[in-house]
Amino acid sequence: EDQVTQSPEALRLQEGESSSLNCSYTVSGLRGLFWYRQDPGKGPEFLFTLYSAGEEKEKERLKATLTKKESFLHITAPKPEDSATYLCAVQGYGGSQGNLIFGKGTKLSVKP
Amino acid sequence: ETGVTQSPTHLIKTRGQQVTLRCSSQSGHNTVSWYQQALGQGPQFIFQYYREEENGRGNFPPRFSGLQFPNYSSELNVNALELDDSALYLCAILAGGTDTQYFGPGTRLTVL
Repeated sequence: EDQVTQSPEALRLQEGESSSLNCSYTVSGLRGLFWYRQDPGKGPEFLFTLYSAGEEKEKERLKATLTKKESFLHITAPKPEDSATYLCAVQGYGGSQGNLIFGKGTKLSVKP
Repeated sequence: ETGVTQSPTHLIKTRGQQVTLRCSSQSGHNTVSWYQQALGQGPQFIFQYYREEENGRGNFPPRFSGLQFPNYSSELNVNALELDDSALYLCAILAGGTDTQYFGPGTRLTVL
């Protein structure tokens, strides 16, 4: 069964304190791994798609990396506006193209 | 800004009632997926529609049904509402030529 586990569940950082979020996955044939950011009461906002081990994507203070079993979202020198829940999702070749399997997310709080 | 809109924003119903939620996109994307997100959880795939046909379904009972119209707008219908149906309902469109789904702002459904 396809599965996604995110850790930690919650992370508190001081402004400027870099850290990483983890996403471990099991999937029968990875079609893609996706990172989203979600603010309270809002829909997820797309950040990155990764397709193969070794791939990296960057956007401002965020960098996503992928191995065969996990993905990391690295946050460099975070600011309070980076506070949100970060969701990881995988899509396997077995299901329909719309079927993303999500983890429960990591809730990030950045204090000034 | 994803160009995906959902209505209504919030909705309160009582157990046993029926509800219809709506989703549309500016560009009329032909593939739309619906997800249910309970509090503190990641979104769960309900089903996907492609060119007005259901094209994949998650582990949800038949009282969850959907429609997609010729203009590619979509509806999610839930019959015989239960307390556990209280959640944020999200629709997502598939960007043409990619595997990336872009989410709308969601509809918050409360069942009393």
